[in-house]
Amino acid sequence: ETGVTQTPRHLVMGMTNKKSLKCEQHLGHNAMYWYKQSAKKPLELMFVYNFKEQTENNSVPSRFSPECPNSSHLFLHLHTLQPEDSALYLCASSSPDRSPYNEQFFGPGTRLTVL
Amino acid sequence: RKEVEQDPGPFNVPEGATVAFNCTYSNSASQSFFWYRQDCRKEPKLLMSVYSSGNEDGRFTAQLNRASQYISLLIRDSKLSDSATYLCVVTSTGNQFYFGTGTSLTVIP
Repeated sequence: ETGVTQTPRHLVMGMTNKKSLKCEQHLGHNAMYWYKQSAKKPLELMFVYNFKEQTENNSVPSRFSPECPNSSHLFLHLHTLQPEDSALYLCASSSPDRSPYNEQFFGPGTRLTVL
Repeated sequence: RKEVEQDPGPFNVPEGATVAFNCTYSNSASQSFFWYRQDCRKEPKLLMSVYSSGNEDGRFTAQLNRASQYISLLIRDSKLSDSATYLCVVTSTGNQFYFGTGTSLTVIP
């Protein structure tokens, strides 16, 4: 596997379910990100991890819970979501210490539908 | 004021046309600059990094103007496959990325 992978690619869940999204990067990066993109809307940054430490939490509701066990893996745990949480969830990685060559690479995303 | 501002378009241009997008940023201490391309229902993909001296990759040319705090993307000889949303991205510190809302381009046969 190369680049950034995400599983599952599609997820349908009820409001009472608990599910987790997984992201893995094979690029040797040390920062990972979760973004939300609703239909025809811009990207919204949710969480940032740098060297496994959370450095940013953009006022995200507690029903979204990130976990970063190491620099290559990132999870987003979902619990009691609302229909308005239906969106494309994108994971990205980068190496901040390589600036200006610190571009982000994105995974293919998980398309989430909350019923 | 938003960190990054782009004209959302849409831009509808005929095949073979030249089209230019501009993007302004508010933080004069911004360090890195990129253009990404996003196709419908897909993830953003890096199109070009933007360097102070400007850079070119085939039909695509990116420019940075630090004094006026804007970056530009020029696409020459537009192809149908260039139809997408183009995102301007600026970083301040190493891992703070600011995305523009994107400019929609449709190339018409």
